[in-house]
Parts: sequence; C-alpha cells; structure tokens
Amino acid sequence: GAVVSQHPSRVICKSGTSVKIECRSLDFQATTMFWYRQFPKKSLMLMATSNEGSKATYEQGVEKDKFLINHASLTLSTLTVTSAHPEDSSFYICSARVLLAGTGNEQFFGPGTRLTVL
Amino acid sequence: DAKTTQPPSMDCAEGRAANLPCNHSTISGNEYVYWYRQIHSQGPQYIIHGLKNNETNEMASLIITEDRKSSTLILPHATLRDTAVYYCIVLGQGAQKLVFGQGTRLTINP
Repeated sequence: GAVVSQHPSRVICKSGTSVKIECRSLDFQATTMFWYRQFPKKSLMLMATSNEGSKATYEQGVEKDKFLINHASLTLSTLTVTSAHPEDSSFYICSARVLLAGTGNEQFFGPGTRLTVL
Repeated sequence: DAKTTQPPSMDCAEGRAANLPCNHSTISGNEYVYWYRQIHSQGPQYIIHGLKNNETNEMASLIITEDRKSSTLILPHATLRDTAVYYCIVLGQGAQKLVFGQGTRLTINP
C-alpha cells in the first residue's frame, strides 16, 4: 500500500511552547489529509480534515487556533500544537486519502507522533 | 455512516483461525465495510474492505452476510504479531472521513 510518513516520531517539549508535526505522502498525491489524536487505551478521535490549498475543517470541540493545520501541497500537511500544555500530551496520527483505480478511495495512516508536554 | 458493534476483546491461540465479528444492522446499500487494525503505538493499518461479496487478500478474508447486517474478519492462521485492536468501519464511498469506534482487542496466545 501507499506510504505515509510523520516527523518527528516522538517529541518532548516544555509547557507553553509550540510543536509542529509533519505528515507526508511519500509515493502518491493525497486528495485529502486527516489528523487524529489518541489517548492511552482509547480509540482514535478525528480532529480535522484538510484539503490542499484550503482551510481545514475541524471536528466539534477541536480548537482551530490551538491546533493549526497547514496543507501546502498534495504531499504535505502540518499540524502545529500552539502553546502546548500537559493535557495536549497524546499520540497524534495523520492519514492521507487517495483515489485508487479499481478500489476507489483509500485512506492510509502514518506511524504517529507521540507528544509529551512537561 | 452506519454504526458498528464489536466485542471489546477476544483471545485466540497461535496458529488457529481468528474470527472477528462485527454488527452493522443499519448499513445502507452503498456503504462498504472496512477493517483496519492498530498494533500498539503504531498507526492503523488497512486490512480489507468489501461491499457485499466475500473478499480475500494476503492478510485476511472478509465474510459479509447476505443481508449485509453483519460481517466477520478471518485471520486464517493467527500469529503473535496479529495481536492488535481491530476496527470495523462502515463507510459510504463518497464519504469524507473514517470514524473509529472502540474496536476489538485481539490477543493471540502462544
């Protein structure tokens, strides 16, 4: 299947700083990218949907000024956690959607980024 | 998109077939059944999807009942590396996003 990468895989930061997470589709152009977060022993929660060149659509309860999403190209989306606090510590996962011949729309996931805010 | 119901956990012996059920009684005619799994501390991995016919690939088989109200994911010869949380998701082809439920935590025992 298609490969999605995330960088960094782990990050530890001090409270009040901002952290940027990159998500790249390595061998395909993604029509849409998604950002999820996951707390320990919980399921993935969709945060936002982003299309290249347009503003992201955030899920209810997700602060758009807190979690800035930039989707500058068909292969790159970034999530910036601004003024991070300990409660923002979580596993952040991106995914990319692509239209494949024969199987239709498929969604591939990155390996995740573990953010720890001290 | 239709809601799915899965058992919270299952155990299976290594080498045996693991059969994971999923109920989706409100599925509509144009909605597909997708299966993903998530191994601890990794991103979800696509396994298989189907509409109404049974499907098989190198990872698993998907059996969908004739009325499409339920399905079963079959891992034919489970290994320890198949220990993961398995998610059954129903999604219309034109739908924008995958929404995850709680899934089934499958533990393969030696």
